[in-house]
Amino acid sequence: QVQLEESGGGLVKPGGSLTLSCEASGFTFSAHYMSWIRQAPGKGLEWVSSITSTGGTIYYADSVKGRFTISRDNVKNSLYLQMNSLRAEDTAVYYCARDEGGDDAWSGYFSWGQGTLVTVSS
Amino acid sequence: EILMTQSPATLSVSPGERVTLSCRASQRVSSNLAWYQQKPGQAPRLLIYGASTRATGIPARFSGSGSGTEFTLTISSLRSEDLAVYYCQQYNYWPRLTFGGGTKVEIK
Repeated sequence: QVQLEESGGGLVKPGGSLTLSCEASGFTFSAHYMSWIRQAPGKGLEWVSSITSTGGTIYYADSVKGRFTISRDNVKNSLYLQMNSLRAEDTAVYYCARDEGGDDAWSGYFSWGQGTLVTVSS
Repeated sequence: EILMTQSPATLSVSPGERVTLSCRASQRVSSNLAWYQQKPGQAPRLLIYGASTRATGIPARFSGSGSGTEFTLTISSLRSEDLAVYYCQQYNYWPRLTFGGGTKVEIK
């Protein structure tokens, strides 16, 4: 079955950097668009970034553009999110999400990993 | 940005009762709407996509309807395990995906 396992979260100071990883299994990773979606403590869900199946096209929310970088390694079945210039408002659980489209196409809806918590605080 | 508004914010319902959750989009999103269930301490789970299609393994007591700007998620007979926050999400304006603020379903 689909498994998405995030790692790399933790406590970081404002202005610091962190890289999240997501290891995928149970499906053909290279066929799916992937995304990062976050949830601030006690709050709703916010789309962060998406990447096409080949990694050729990337999209970012305005709130993270220029600070975050999404990437993927289809050999390692892994998705990444490099986060720089972190702010307190970036504090959230970050979910790795598989777009359910497959076959190198998007659907716009997702299955989700369990998430990893990023806390930005001095 | 497409604003998704869910109502009510909280709903307290007895087991066996019918539950109706609403989601409104600030602009038309056709039928490009999904519903997710998030149980305490868990990741969201896809329930409905295309406004009315149940995802794999989702019980038949969950149903979705609507198109354009008005959408509804119905739980025909609430079970205790349905305690959760329910979110709607539009994907008509992919990749600019937006989520509603959620409706928390409490068991009375």
